[in-house]
Amino acid sequence: EPEVTQTPSHQVTQMGQEVILRCVPISNHLYFYWYRQILGQKVEFLVSFYNNEISEKSEIFDDQFSVERPDGSNFTLKIRSTKLEDSAMYFCASSDLKGGGNQPQHFGDGTRLSIL
Amino acid sequence: GNSVTQMEGPVTLSEEAFLTINCTYTATGYPSLFWYVQYPGEGLQLLLKATKADDKGSNKGFEATYRKETTSFHLEKGSVQVSDSAVYFCALEPNAGNNRKLIWGLGTSLAVNP
Repeated sequence: EPEVTQTPSHQVTQMGQEVILRCVPISNHLYFYWYRQILGQKVEFLVSFYNNEISEKSEIFDDQFSVERPDGSNFTLKIRSTKLEDSAMYFCASSDLKGGGNQPQHFGDGTRLSIL
Repeated sequence: GNSVTQMEGPVTLSEEAFLTINCTYTATGYPSLFWYVQYPGEGLQLLLKATKADDKGSNKGFEATYRKETTSFHLEKGSVQVSDSAVYFCALEPNAGNNRKLIWGLGTSLAVNP
C-alpha cells in the first residue's frame, strides 16, 4: 500500500536556526497537509496545500513558517528561525479528491523536532 | 467552533475485554468523523470513518456509529488483543467546501494486558 514518507525521523536544531522538514506524499494525491503535536497536547492543524498554493492555514502558521512543493514529489515545511516552543512532532498528510470530498488523509510517521 | 472531546486515558484492559472509548464533538453543519490509531513508534493510521449521520464505520473488529442526536462517535471493540495497545484519536473534518483540516481529540492511550 502506498505510504506518506517523512524525513528525518528526528531533527535536533539550535534555537534561531532554520529547519526544513521533508515529506513525500502519496503519488496521486492532490491535497497536502502539515500538523503538529506538542508533547501531551492535541494534534493541531498547521496548513493545507492544493494546486500549488496554500488552501488554509491556522493562526499557528505565522511568517516563520512556509511550505513548498519544489518538484513533483516533495512537500516541505520550513521554519525560518526556530523557537523552543516549536519542539513537537510534525506530521505530513496527503489525500485524494477523487470521488468528491471526504477522502481520508493518510499520514506519515512524523518528524520529531527538538529545539535546544 | 469545531471541537472534539475524548475520554481521558490511560485505559488498561485485559485481553478479550470489551472496549469503549467515548468521543463527542461540536461542529457546525455535517462533519465527517474519523478514528485514527497510533501504534508505538509509528505514525497516525486511519482506523475507520463515517461521513453522515447513522453511518457505522468498522475495521479490524472496531466499530463506531455517527450519532448526530448525541453528537457522538464512540469507538467499540468486543474483544481486545494485546496488539491493540496504542493511542486512539477521534477527529472531525468540517464539511466546509475545499478547506479540509482535521480537528483532533486529545487521544486515549489503551494498554491491553495478556
